[in-house]
Amino acid sequence: KQEVTQIPAALSVPEGENLVLNCSFTDSAIYNLQWFRQDPGKGLTSLLLIQSSQREQTSGRLNASLDKSSGRSTLYIAASQPGDSATYLCAPWDYKLSFGAGTTVTVRA
Amino acid sequence: SAVISQKPSRDICQRGTSLTIQCQVDSQVTMMFWYRQQPGQSLTLIATANQGSEATYESGFVIDKFPISRPNLTFSTLTVSNMSPEDSSIYLCSVPGGGSTDTQYFGPGTRLTVL
Repeated sequence: KQEVTQIPAALSVPEGENLVLNCSFTDSAIYNLQWFRQDPGKGLTSLLLIQSSQREQTSGRLNASLDKSSGRSTLYIAASQPGDSATYLCAPWDYKLSFGAGTTVTVRA
Repeated sequence: SAVISQKPSRDICQRGTSLTIQCQVDSQVTMMFWYRQQPGQSLTLIATANQGSEATYESGFVIDKFPISRPNLTFSTLTVSNMSPEDSSIYLCSVPGGGSTDTQYFGPGTRLTVL
């Protein structure tokens, strides 16, 4: 069974600071890994999908890296803004998604 | 991409009753997934629903409690049966964007409160 751990559980930073969110998973036999954002009381918004053959993927201020062999992924958010405040979830895919508990980010104006 | 709608968006139900949640996708998909998110927790997969076959349930979830229908390639329902307060959760459906390596898209969720 895939176990996903996200560190830290919560993060509070001043606006403009860069964010580093860590994700580790126990079974490296994955096809891809997806990062999601969840706002309170809302569904999930896909941020980045990184394929198992890729080392990183970028979208705007977001960059995700993947080290499949060591079971790790990191999401970097550059120049954080108050609108980035949300819970961030990572989910490796091996014919189903397994979710971590998430990192709750607060960006202070 | 896939656009997913769910009905109802929220409901408050009495203990012992059942609620059926609908999930509609704007394109045909083979696989649909149902997740539960209990208060303050992350998402847990309930079952995978393939059109034309029985749903596959994850450990800890049974068909009698969470029967699923999948009548066609764009629609599925999840029923939460004989509800108790412990069933209070957000229930979400999701579909793959295309193939086994594509983005997963989620519906907005159904927020269920059981009194």
